[in-house]
Amino acid sequence: EVQLVESGGGLVQPGGSLRLSCAASGFAFSNSWMAWVRQAPGKGLEWVANIKQDGSQFYYMDAVKGRFIISRDNANNSLYLQMSSLRGEDSAVYFCATWELRLFTSWGQGTLVTVSS
Amino acid sequence: QMTQSPSTLSASVGDRVTITCRASHSLRDWLAWYQQKPGKAPKLLIYDASRLQSGVPSRFSGSGSGTEFSLTISSLQPEDFATYYCQQYDRFPMPYTFGQGTKLEIK
Repeated sequence: EVQLVESGGGLVQPGGSLRLSCAASGFAFSNSWMAWVRQAPGKGLEWVANIKQDGSQFYYMDAVKGRFIISRDNANNSLYLQMSSLRGEDSAVYFCATWELRLFTSWGQGTLVTVSS
Repeated sequence: QMTQSPSTLSASVGDRVTITCRASHSLRDWLAWYQQKPGKAPKLLIYDASRLQSGVPSRFSGSGSGTEFSLTISSLQPEDFATYYCQQYDRFPMPYTFGQGTKLEIK
């Protein structure tokens, strides 16, 4: 069974940084594209970034380009999202997801990031 | 740009309901539907506009192509009350845009 467990969320001041992690199990992580999707409180879903199996390709939504970095550690079945220069509009639940054939096929339960002074 | 309608839908157990998703450009069949229950992660229901994801009950169906799509639930069950999102994936590598969601409520 696919399991994705996010961690690292919390309260951070505007301009601050945070690193999210996603521990994966139950599937061949090193063979899977992975993604981060976020959801602001009471709002819809928004794709943030995704990364190829070997980490050689990655893509970001325009609003986070230059501020967020997606990475992975296949030896430890882990996905990361390094977030910097955080803004209020980055406040959201961040989901880790498997990305297969351009679909978000399995999801974690999410970790909440709140950007506020 | 993906536009769903209605934003909220009130219905009763046993009802047949349809949710619509319109795209700003032709997606051919590159359209998926997700279900999200409060406090939970989304779940993929339908892909390629009409293909049912493994394990999804057959009361769910999808149709459409190009710019107009629909998700139909043939006979609502209590566990179907949730928010539904469409998602376009016609382009690689990005973007992957979701609709704003349709909340299906108990009447």
